[in-house]
Order: sequence, then C-alpha cells, then structure tokens
Amino acid sequence: AQSVTQLDSQVPVFEEAPVELRCNYSSSVSVYLFWYVQYPNQGLQLLLKYLSGSTLVKGINGFEAEFNKSQTSFHLRKPSVHISDTAEYFCAVSPNQAGTALIFGKGTTLSVSS
Amino acid sequence: DAGVTQSPTHLIKTRGQQVTLRCSPKSGHDTVSWYQQALGQGPQFIFQYYEEEERQRGNFPDRFSGHQFPNYSSELNVNALLLGDSALYLCASRASGQGVFGYTFGSGTRLTVV
Repeated sequence: AQSVTQLDSQVPVFEEAPVELRCNYSSSVSVYLFWYVQYPNQGLQLLLKYLSGSTLVKGINGFEAEFNKSQTSFHLRKPSVHISDTAEYFCAVSPNQAGTALIFGKGTTLSVSS
Repeated sequence: DAGVTQSPTHLIKTRGQQVTLRCSPKSGHDTVSWYQQALGQGPQFIFQYYEEEERQRGNFPDRFSGHQFPNYSSELNVNALLLGDSALYLCASRASGQGVFGYTFGSGTRLTVV
C-alpha cells in the first residue's frame, strides 16, 4: 500500500519570498508522483508530475519539485511567490501500474501576504 | 473545450436520504473516477468506471454506488446518508490510454448532510 505525508498543514509566507512545501511518501513499489493545486471553490489542477527520468521536474506557474528516492520525498518549491499562489496544495502518488488510483496527502495551505 | 462538468454544485440532504451526483467527462475521455474530499482532508478514491463497469474501488461501503452511461457520463449514488458523508465530491476523467497522469478534475459537488 502507498501513503503520503505532507509535513506542513499551513505555510504562511510573504510575497516574493521563496517557499518549499514538503511531501514524503511510502511505497513498496515504484510510483508516479504529483502535485495538485486547489483554489477556493474549485477542483484540482495539476501543477507537475514525476513519471521517470530527471529528478527535477518543472511545472506550471513557476513551480518545480525534486524527487529524492533515497529519502522518499517530493518537495515542491517556488523561488518567489505571488499573492495569487494562495491556495491548497496536495501531493499525490500512484503505483506505477495502469489504471490505479491517486492517493493524496492531507494538503498544505499556502498563504501569501504582502 | 468544456472540461469535466459536475452537477449540482451544492446540495443539502437530510440524514437517511439518498443522493445522486452527476458528472460529464471532458471531451475525448472515457474513464471516470470519483473522489470524496472531507473538510480539511485530501481527496479519497471512491471508485473508477470504464466501459460502463466499476473497475476499481476504494475503501468505501456499499452505500456508495455508481453508474457509467454509454456516453461516458457517470453518476455517484449514496444511500442512507450519514452526517459523515458531508464532503466535496470530485469527479475526474481521463482517456483510457493516458494512465493516471491524464486526469482532469471537475469543480465538485458540495454535499451537506443535516
């Protein structure tokens, strides 16, 4: 079975500051890794995904994440955040098999203030 | 190009009642999954439909059932509603050849059980 732990439930930052949202996962098989963003009263939007290859993955809106297999982590980073980045962020995993479901963490609330 | 459409957007039901939620997948998508997102939690996988059959199911009781129609749209039915069923219900669709990384999520149906 797989599980996801998002280490911070809330992350407050000031505008233009860097941010890191931490995600650890547990799995006995190879996995795909994802970060999704959820704005208020909206569904989930895919920020980026790691399937294979380069461990540094770049996504939309200036976000990037690094897959670390030895530490079973997939932390999300942005060098300079904007007010508009305020949202809920979810890390998710899925076993490296066809047709399997996404397993989500509990989410991290990113609050960007001026 | 319309994305995933869910209806209704909000719903209030009384404990013990039954509810039906509807989902129209994105054009070109034939696989539909349903997720339950309780307040302050990450989405949890309920089940997945493909070719009008339930293909995979998460850890949810039989009170949760579904259906997929020939046009790929889907319904989620919940019987004997409990207060704990109050949540945001998300529908996600993908093309069967895309794998788990091809999901598009709808904005959800907010179900409140009183």
